[in-house]
Amino acid sequence: NAGVTQTPKFQVLKTGQSMTLQCAQDMNHEYMSWYRQDPGMGLRLIHYSVGAGITDQGEVPNGYNVSRSTTEDFPLRLLSAAPSQTSVYFCATTRDRGYTIYFGEGSWLTVV
Amino acid sequence: EDKVVQSPLSLVVHEGDTVTLNCSYEVTNFRSLLWYKQEKKAPTFLFMLTSSGIEKKSGRLSSILDKKELSSILNITATQTGDSAIYLCAGWFGNTGNQFYFGTGTSLTVIP
Repeated sequence: NAGVTQTPKFQVLKTGQSMTLQCAQDMNHEYMSWYRQDPGMGLRLIHYSVGAGITDQGEVPNGYNVSRSTTEDFPLRLLSAAPSQTSVYFCATTRDRGYTIYFGEGSWLTVV
Repeated sequence: EDKVVQSPLSLVVHEGDTVTLNCSYEVTNFRSLLWYKQEKKAPTFLFMLTSSGIEKKSGRLSSILDKKELSSILNITATQTGDSAIYLCAGWFGNTGNQFYFGTGTSLTVIP
């Protein structure tokens, strides 16, 4: 049972490049979300989805796009990478509102 | 204004000590509170608490929510070096969406 799978685990980007962080889950959860974690800032919600075809912005959405064409996949796109986007990114799923959050193993992104 | 605030930010104790971590939350649309432990990778789930006030226990860890004080505590007794981690608290607010908000975390270091 893979749970929540994120790829890549590590990535170095140059300023201005674009890339996509992939997230796939096999738990048939409706709710998926992306967080970034920075030192001293905790986990901050970037975007979330309550089901296929539905997405919404979280606390820090600027510079990121998401889509949810299937229940299983929720990719996060960086449109034009900036050094301020250097962070650890976590994809997460939950069965329903207020239930336990399951996290992927994280993606370490450095923008130079 | 932060919906979830944790204290202290960091803590250093000796093996065998008992520690208490705090998490306060905003009352508006509050639904539930979750505690997570994060070592090098993704956060792992510890407890979920609601306004029912029921204490949750797991081995040397326990947690309870005080709805009058709008806060929760996480207790760890007889600490071990393996308890060294960041402890995150997350609150779920609202009736729609996936609105989990995390505190900044408490970094616990247990010295042998």
